[in-house]
Amino acid sequence: DTEVTQTPKHLVMGMTNKKSLKCEQHMGHRAMYWYKQKAKKPPELMFVYSYEKLSINESVPSRFSPECPNSSLLNLHLHALQPEDSALYLCASSQGPSANTEAFFGQGTRLTVV
Amino acid sequence: QKEVEQDPGPLSVPEGAIVSLNCTYSNSAFQYFMWYRQYSRKGPELLMYTYSSGNKEDGRFTAQVDKSSKYISLFIRDSQPSDSATYLCAMSRLSGGSYIPTFGRGTSLIVHP
Repeated sequence: DTEVTQTPKHLVMGMTNKKSLKCEQHMGHRAMYWYKQKAKKPPELMFVYSYEKLSINESVPSRFSPECPNSSLLNLHLHALQPEDSALYLCASSQGPSANTEAFFGQGTRLTVV
Repeated sequence: QKEVEQDPGPLSVPEGAIVSLNCTYSNSAFQYFMWYRQYSRKGPELLMYTYSSGNKEDGRFTAQVDKSSKYISLFIRDSQPSDSATYLCAMSRLSGGSYIPTFGRGTSLIVHP
């Protein structure tokens, strides 16, 4: 099983809303990632969690707030977003720094901010 | 200069052709190399993963890595219209305790019947 599950698949939110994106994997992976992808562009790294601790924040605005409640779950809390934040948000996981490092991606949440 | 360079295409080929996709990179710290296929509005799907120079084959796909030249390739044999997608190369280096995939911009491949 190499599945990373993201919910919801689509999300439309207003600029004053608060919403959350969810990601789940049951592969025992200890590294989890959030990426943002705009149309016709490669995925851009936002956050990395390693062993449930935030290890990398790529200078992401505070309106994006990640959370890793346990080793299988990763959330991205959204608040006061801007229309330019509309994008495909991708979650990925890999075994971790001491083992095989190929990253598996979910299908993404397509976010539209209105 | 970007860390990972990849020609965006589009690359248009007839069904049955051999497709060659390439990336170059500048950072010697990259240790692991991956190829992903991404259909429109979907997440990237891992196709190939390798960590050493040389060739790795899986079905119709062959990944090639030349660390001395900082050059990687993906070959697709007997290409099919269903192979039409964007192909992203990615490579990982250790940063902050985790291996971080860095992506090329992707090559759009069109296989026409």
